[in-house]
Parts: sequence; C-alpha cells; structure tokens
Amino acid sequence: DVKVTQSSRYLVKRTGEKVFLECVQDMDHENMFWYRQDPGLGLRLIYFSYDVKMKEKGDIPEGYSVSREKKERFSLILESASTNQTSMYLCASSSGGYDEQFFGPGTRLTVL
Amino acid sequence: GENVEQHPSTLSVQEGDSAVIKCTYSDSASNYFPWYKQELGKRPQLIIDIRSNVGEKKDQRIAVTLNKTAKHFSLHITETQPEDSAVYFCAASRRGSGSRLTFGEGTQLTVNP
Repeated sequence: DVKVTQSSRYLVKRTGEKVFLECVQDMDHENMFWYRQDPGLGLRLIYFSYDVKMKEKGDIPEGYSVSREKKERFSLILESASTNQTSMYLCASSSGGYDEQFFGPGTRLTVL
Repeated sequence: GENVEQHPSTLSVQEGDSAVIKCTYSDSASNYFPWYKQELGKRPQLIIDIRSNVGEKKDQRIAVTLNKTAKHFSLHITETQPEDSAVYFCAASRRGSGSRLTFGEGTQLTVNP
C-alpha cells in the first residue's frame, strides 16, 4: 500500500513565524502536491512538483514556498505565518498521468 | 485555468434512497474526472473516475456519468447506506497538466438510518 505521511497532525504557531510542513511518500511517485482544505472551498492546490527540484505554482501559491530535494520528500514553507493561513494542509502523491492521488493524513495548522 | 463547481453543498437522504451529486467544469480540454470520498477525520480517497472517451462508468452501487457537450459530470449512489456518509469531491484534469487536479467545493452527504 502507498503510504503518505506528514510530519505533524496538529501545529500551533505564532504570527510571523516560519513554518515547515513535511510530506514523505514511500512509493517512488514522481508527482507530489500540497493542498489546503477549508470548509466550503474544497481542496485548493498550493504547489505541486513533478520531479526532484521542480515545482509549479498551483491556484493559491501566495505566502507559500516549497522544496523538493529528494524524490520522496516535499516540504511546504510558510515564510511568515499569518492568521489567514490557519487551515488543514493535505499532501498527496501520484505516479503520473491520470493515476490516483494518494493523500496524507493532513496537518491542522493554527496561526495565532 | 480550470474551474469546477459542485452541487449541492449538503445532501441528506434516507437509507436505501439514491443520491446524486453534480459537477460542472469550464475547460473543454479536461479529459479526466475522478471522485474522492473523505470520511470524517480521514484523508480523501479515490472511489471512481471516468475519462472523456467514456460516457458512463459503474462500480457496484456507484456510477459516474459524463456529458462532454454540456461540460458536466455526476456521481450516482444507489441503495445508500450509513457508511456512505462523507464529503464527496469531484475533480477535473487535462492532458499535459502533470496530473494536476482542480477540485470542486465538496458535498456533505448524510445518510439517515
């Protein structure tokens, strides 16, 4: 079974802090994604990566950056956290083409 | 870019009834339409998908239909059971987008025993 893990289930940070969310997948998938999930807004794509050191902006990249130094690991970075970034963050991976995206358990981030 | 709209946002049915969730998309180049189910407190999981060369696909009690001309697709669940209660998301993707999906807003389905 594909396993996608995220570094934290719950995280509380202060406004202005730098925040790192990490995602690791164990199935050698090429593609990795970061979404945020907010009630009534569905899953919105922040960034995605189709190869090591490659990244593409999604629909809401402002205030975020990403890093993919190794194929299995995709990090989401909030350079200076703000209260409007309080949300559930979901990581996903897929092997490419039209293959299923496998999601991690999510990180609920609260920015105070 | 692609825009996916999903209706209704909430749906309540009696056990054994059918449920239908509808989505529309804007990009005529989209050709892959998956549906994900997210149970409370859990991660989204793929339940069924359809590609643009097919009009309908069934898997036991669930089916998806696609109307390319009207740019809409629907999820049909028959003989609903309490364990079908979840949030359902539709999504769309097009060739060359690097597996990128655009999701709808989600539908909270509640099946009452």
